[in-house]
Formats: sequence, C-alpha cells, structure tokens
Amino acid sequence: AQTVTQSQPEMSVQEAETVTLSCTYDTSESDYYLFWYKQPPSRQMILVIRQEAYKQQNATENRFSVNFQKAAKSFSLKISDSQLGDAAMYFCAAGAGSYQLTFGKGTKLSVIP
Amino acid sequence: DTGVSQNPRHKITKRGQNVTFRCDPISEHNRLYWYRQTLGQGPEFLTYFQNEAQLEKSRLLSDRFSAERPKGSFSTLEIQRTEQGDSAMYLCASSPYTDTQYFGPGTRLTVL
Repeated sequence: AQTVTQSQPEMSVQEAETVTLSCTYDTSESDYYLFWYKQPPSRQMILVIRQEAYKQQNATENRFSVNFQKAAKSFSLKISDSQLGDAAMYFCAAGAGSYQLTFGKGTKLSVIP
Repeated sequence: DTGVSQNPRHKITKRGQNVTFRCDPISEHNRLYWYRQTLGQGPEFLTYFQNEAQLEKSRLLSDRFSAERPKGSFSTLEIQRTEQGDSAMYLCASSPYTDTQYFGPGTRLTVL
C-alpha cells in the first residue's frame, strides 16, 4: 500500500522564475517508481518526469528536475524558467508491482506574466 | 502512435440508467488501467488488465461496475444503475511492459 501527500494545494510563480512543488510518500515496497504528471485545464494528464527509486541520481527533463530524498521519502519537482504553458494541476504519483499508481491530491500552479 | 482515446468525452445521464465507456489504448500496450477522478482530487485506481485478463480490482469498484477487455485490445467500463455519486471523470491509461502509464483525455460523467 502506498500513500502520496502534496501539502501545497496552490502555488504561483512569476514567468521565467523557478518554483518547487513538494511531495512526500510512504510505501512498503522496496522497488517502486515515482512520477510527476501535469494536467492542464480540461486537458489530459501528461507525464512530466519519472524516477526509479533504486537510482540515486535525480531525474531531469529539460526545465524539469526532481529532488529525490529516499530516506526522507520526499520527491519534489523543480520547474526552472517557468513559462505560461506550465500553468496546470501537478500530481505526484507512486507505483510498484503491477504499477497501479497512487496519486496525491495535486498542486495547482499559476504562472504570472 | 495516436495516443490513448476515450469515448464519449462527455456523458450526461439520469440516475438509475446504465452507461458504458470505451477506451482504446496505444497500439501494442498490453496493460490497461481505469481510474476515477473527482473534483479537486487525484485519480483513484479502479481496475487493471494485462492483455485480456483483469488482474486487479479496487474496493472502489462496486458490483455496479464492470470492466472488460476482450481480445486484449480496447476496454469498456460499464456502470449499472448510476447514482449521483458516480459523477466523475473516468480516466483510462495504457502501458507497455514498463512502469510508465499514458493517459487518455477521460470521459466526464454527470448523473442527474
């Protein structure tokens, strides 16, 4: 069983600035995966970045990077050089075994021009 | 790769009616998932298929819900005797033999 907690219901960032979204999780699995998904208004869920728990190196995808702290069970997402198109709901998720995902409640990110 | 597709995109029904949703996964993805997302919440897992076999079902999937994936291709999710509490976005996702799931646009169900 897994739980995922996102403690920031809403965040805002100025265009071109950097923002960090927080996520903590709990799992009894030794082999698991962590994800950040983006859900723009009225649009479908898009994978932003994934992290394999057995890898110590933090994943990066262009302007998106994570800070994975396995001992603390923390998995935050950093967005650099924020753009207007980054405005969306961001969901943190954990998966293991058959890979059904457990999601947090999401963080709504607003980008201020 | 045309992505995961879901139909219909919106469904409005009256309480007590039956509804059926369809999901077409990405070609050759053998794993297919259904999730339910209510307003202000993250998606919640409903059920999972590997090819045509339904391998996991959440306790959220009451006996009014049934899902099928004949021949391991598209999948249907049927809700019988709909209730107002069934109003939600129903999301489908597919995956190859990896951990990454690709989501469809969802079907928004409104039960009046």
